[in-house]
Amino acid sequence: ELKVEQNPLFLSMQEGKNYTIYCNYSTTSDRLYWYRQDPGKSLESLFVLLSNGAVKQEGRLMASLDTKARLSTLHITAAVHDLSATYFCAVGRGGADGLTFGKGTHLIIQP
Amino acid sequence: SAVISQKPSRDICQRGTSLTIQCQVDSQVTMMFWYRQQPGQSLTLIATANQGSEATYESGFVIDKFPISRPNLTFSTLTVSNMSPEDSSIYLCSVEHPNYGYTFGSGTRLTVV
Repeated sequence: ELKVEQNPLFLSMQEGKNYTIYCNYSTTSDRLYWYRQDPGKSLESLFVLLSNGAVKQEGRLMASLDTKARLSTLHITAAVHDLSATYFCAVGRGGADGLTFGKGTHLIIQP
Repeated sequence: SAVISQKPSRDICQRGTSLTIQCQVDSQVTMMFWYRQQPGQSLTLIATANQGSEATYESGFVIDKFPISRPNLTFSTLTVSNMSPEDSSIYLCSVEHPNYGYTFGSGTRLTVV
């Protein structure tokens, strides 16, 4: 059974700081996704990582994937308040079988 | 990526009743997925709906409680049957695009009283 562990589950940080969210998964998968969820909203797709060594960046967010270590990271650079949200990683279950989600990281960025 | 319209966006229902949630996609897709997000929790896959066949349910979810229809390649419904307060959650449908990954509908926030 595929398990996805995300940490930290809660993160409070100051604007301007850097931090990394980690996502470990238990079985081989070739697809790793990062989503953002604002309170009361649905999920917004941030990154789709499809191969070992993949690195994608969008603004202050950068995601990477190491399939050998079964680890993905979401790095936040010089955080700003607008990035406050809950971030989920999710792993493809194989084929077109949907996703298994981590528990999410509730991120608060304080001025 | 696909645009997904989901309705209702929210509802308050009496226990013992049923609610049907609709999901409409702007393009034809083979598989549609239904997830539940309990308050303050992550998303859990309920079932996968493939047009022309019965839905495939995940462990802990049964067809009698969550019947699903998939009449064509752009539409699906999820019914939450005989509701109890424990069914209060956000329910989301999702589809996969080969290039963009999985996208999600806007969700249905269900409160059972």
